[in-house]
Amino acid sequence: DTAVSQTPKYLVTQMGNDKSIKCEQNLGHDTMYWYKQDSKKFLKIMFSYNNKELIINETVPNRFSPKSPDKAHLNLHINSLELGDSAVYFCASSQLSATQYFGPGTRLLVL
Amino acid sequence: KQEVTQIPAALSVPEGENLVLNCSFTDSAIYNLQWFRQDPGKGLTSLLLIQSSQREQTSGRLNASLDKSSGRSTLYIAASQPGDSATYLCAVGAQGGSEKLVFGKGTKLTVNP
Repeated sequence: DTAVSQTPKYLVTQMGNDKSIKCEQNLGHDTMYWYKQDSKKFLKIMFSYNNKELIINETVPNRFSPKSPDKAHLNLHINSLELGDSAVYFCASSQLSATQYFGPGTRLLVL
Repeated sequence: KQEVTQIPAALSVPEGENLVLNCSFTDSAIYNLQWFRQDPGKGLTSLLLIQSSQREQTSGRLNASLDKSSGRSTLYIAASQPGDSATYLCAVGAQGGSEKLVFGKGTKLTVNP
């Protein structure tokens, strides 16, 4: 059973396009996250939701808009994609501040 | 602003060696600290979680220690195996129960058979 799943696994797109990444967790956790891992492998938090409410919003361009339709799902929509958005995006979940469980990542390449 | 540093950036050892990975953080007011492993092209797997009130945690051949006052944590791996080859990441949770983790850049470990 996959605990945290993300789709798609790979995403190649042109600059200026709009794309979405989906995340689902079946662990019953209340909190979900989006992280970005850049080309130097540095992992940084972008957003966090607790019970569908946004609780962490780091300095991220407003082209990035997370949406949590329910506490098991957290999607990430990106408008007007730029070259610098190329990275691996990880979804994670946890029960409040306990261990975070990560998805396999979505590898985004903007051409 | 919390900053997390991991030394060394890369480490290569022969199979069977015991080794220590280091993590330091600038703000000692932390809630917890987690060690993760990341295999190439894969997501992160949580190895150990240490609460701020704890000094260490053990799981199998892994032992993680935490010294909050000095802003340091170590991950000890006993009797290393080629399967331990991966990047090991240290992440610090902010005090107050914040769910925000601040990550180090990782130590890439290679265990040679």
